[in-house]
Amino acid sequence: KAGVTQTPRYLIKTRGQQVTLSCSPISGHRSVSWYQQTPGQGLQFLFEYFSETQRNKGNFPGRFSGRQFSNSRSEMNVSTLELGDSALYLCASSSGPNTGELFFGEGSRLTVL
Amino acid sequence: SQQGEEDPQALSIQEGENATMNCSYKTSINNLQWYRQNSGRGLVHLILIRSNEREKHSGRLRVTLDTSKKSSSLLITASRAADTASYFCATDRFQGAQKLVFGQGTRLTINP
Repeated sequence: KAGVTQTPRYLIKTRGQQVTLSCSPISGHRSVSWYQQTPGQGLQFLFEYFSETQRNKGNFPGRFSGRQFSNSRSEMNVSTLELGDSALYLCASSSGPNTGELFFGEGSRLTVL
Repeated sequence: SQQGEEDPQALSIQEGENATMNCSYKTSINNLQWYRQNSGRGLVHLILIRSNEREKHSGRLRVTLDTSKKSSSLLITASRAADTASYFCATDRFQGAQKLVFGQGTRLTINP
């Protein structure tokens, strides 16, 4: 069974641009969540999706948005990039919203110049 | 803000020794989990302990949970070089929620 796949793995953007990150969960998994990891703030929750519905949202500005498609794939978008958005963005999936264990992808490392 | 705090922030031991990491949290929880992260990679789930459990084992891992003290510990016995990684505790407050709150992690280095 393939794991969680995130694309792209690395990307460089400049301030003011926008970026879209993609996540394909493990086959059969319908829950997807996103986390931001930075040296200063650590791992912080961004969003959680189940069956195309956002179930939870972290404390991030409206520039951060996400969605989930009918095939459970998810995307997150960050608009008007700031230097502080440089981070490792991790996607995780699970078979359902009531299971505790999350399966993480390798992440998308975003650098904002 | 982080709910969990882990100590030590960094731990360096010799191969074969045991490693103990501690995690404290602030609010009531549903589950507490431990994850491992190799440098710059994704997180790997190690073990989950429910709020009504006090101890759990998985291979060389032993996790304890003290809800009265809002703390947990992860013990790795007979450490190996491959155990070198960062270890994070994560808590969720409500059943069915995937909104995990992570600690800052412990950086474990196993010296050969």
